Amino acid sequence: GDSVTQMEGPVTLSEEAFLTINCTYTATGYPSLFWYVQYPGEGLQLLLKATKADDKGSNKGFEATYRKETTSFHLEKGSVQVSDSAVYFCALTPSNTGNQFYFGTGTSLTVIP
Amino acid sequence: KAGVTQTPRYLIKTRGQQVTLSCSPISGHRSVSWYQQTPGQGLQFLFEYFSETQRNKGNFPGRFSGRQFSNSRSEMNVSTLELGDSALYLCASSSVRGYNSPLHFGNGTRLTVT
Repeated sequence: GDSVTQMEGPVTLSEEAFLTINCTYTATGYPSLFWYVQYPGEGLQLLLKATKADDKGSNKGFEATYRKETTSFHLEKGSVQVSDSAVYFCALTPSNTGNQFYFGTGTSLTVIP
Repeated sequence: KAGVTQTPRYLIKTRGQQVTLSCSPISGHRSVSWYQQTPGQGLQFLFEYFSETQRNKGNFPGRFSGRQFSNSRSEMNVSTLELGDSALYLCASSSVRGYNSPLHFGNGTRLTVT
């Protein structure tokens, strides 16, 4: 079945460090891929998305490229800030199930000054 | 534009009781989905409603049910509560049912079953 596998956390980085959170997926067809972020006490917010192979999603300095050949959608940011501390979720929605999303388990990121 | 609103924010119930959670989607959004979030299982899809009809259902027992009203507001009901139902329940809305349409989440209802 469809699924998402995310890098285990927690991840702790110093401010201005480079961030990579790995995400791989299993899906039939051509899913759409998303990264969501969850701040403490809040729901999930869409960070970025990509809907077809080789698309690059970007927002707030974060980027992820849809790699069909490696079934990956790794999240990167060149210089993290304390305000980026949150839990990050990789997700996919298959091409044939409307709005049913499959989420990874989440990766907790803490950025220290 | 107001976001997705979930009420109440917190609930404490005892085993065997039932509970109803409410969700008001973003204005104009007709698709409403519900997810259960727990530390052990992560986010799991419960069901999706569109135009008052359940379109998809996840792998949860029949104790979990929902409905959607003509104004797109949705409710989720859990009957005969079990300790394992303690979780954050998230509602999400989207404008269309297309597979590349992102979900917009509410802040959730934290349910504690004692």
